[in-house]
Amino acid sequence: NAGVMQNPRHLVRRRGQEARLRCSPMKGHSHVYWYRQLPEEGLKFMVYLQKENIIDESGMPKERFSAEFPKEGPSILRIQQVVRGDSAAYFCASSPPTGLQETQYFGPGTRLLVL
Amino acid sequence: KQEVTQIPAALSVPEGENLVLNCSFTDSAIYNLQWFRQDPGKGLTSLLLIQSSQREQTSGRLNASLDKSSGRSTLYIAASQPGDSATYLCAVWGNYGQNFVFGPGTRLSVLP
Repeated sequence: NAGVMQNPRHLVRRRGQEARLRCSPMKGHSHVYWYRQLPEEGLKFMVYLQKENIIDESGMPKERFSAEFPKEGPSILRIQQVVRGDSAAYFCASSPPTGLQETQYFGPGTRLLVL
Repeated sequence: KQEVTQIPAALSVPEGENLVLNCSFTDSAIYNLQWFRQDPGKGLTSLLLIQSSQREQTSGRLNASLDKSSGRSTLYIAASQPGDSATYLCAVWGNYGQNFVFGPGTRLSVLP
């Protein structure tokens, strides 16, 4: 059973470009969480999604950021018109549809660098 | 708003030492607390989970304690090894929340 997969592992973008980060949850998991880790800081919650629904986006910046988890395919975190302050590691976690949401399995992260 | 802090920010010890990492949180209304390990360039691995009704959890050389009323948790690592070198993150899950609140981590180096 493969773990949570994220790609790309590293992404370099110039200011103003778009960044698309993908997360494939563990098999059978229908809950996905995105976190952002700025340099020298802890992880900060961004958004919690279930299939085709955004459950909690209280940690998501109001502009330029969006997330989706379609019925088929991976979850996507999209950052439009990236700025240098978006440079960070973005982690995805997944949990099963039943049971404890705090039993989250983390992916290896995508390191985004904005030049 | 829940806030989680960890001290020290970094720690360097010789191999074989016992050590304690500290975590503090401001809101005691937590459902549970977890300690994670983060290796450079990799994701997080859950080490120990303590439910709010528990006082401690043990796994091998690791022991985590929880004092919910005072908003504190400690992670005790016995007989440290170079392979323990990593960043250790503390995270709380609130009674009302649907996500973790993480501390900034303690970066541990165990020297051979």
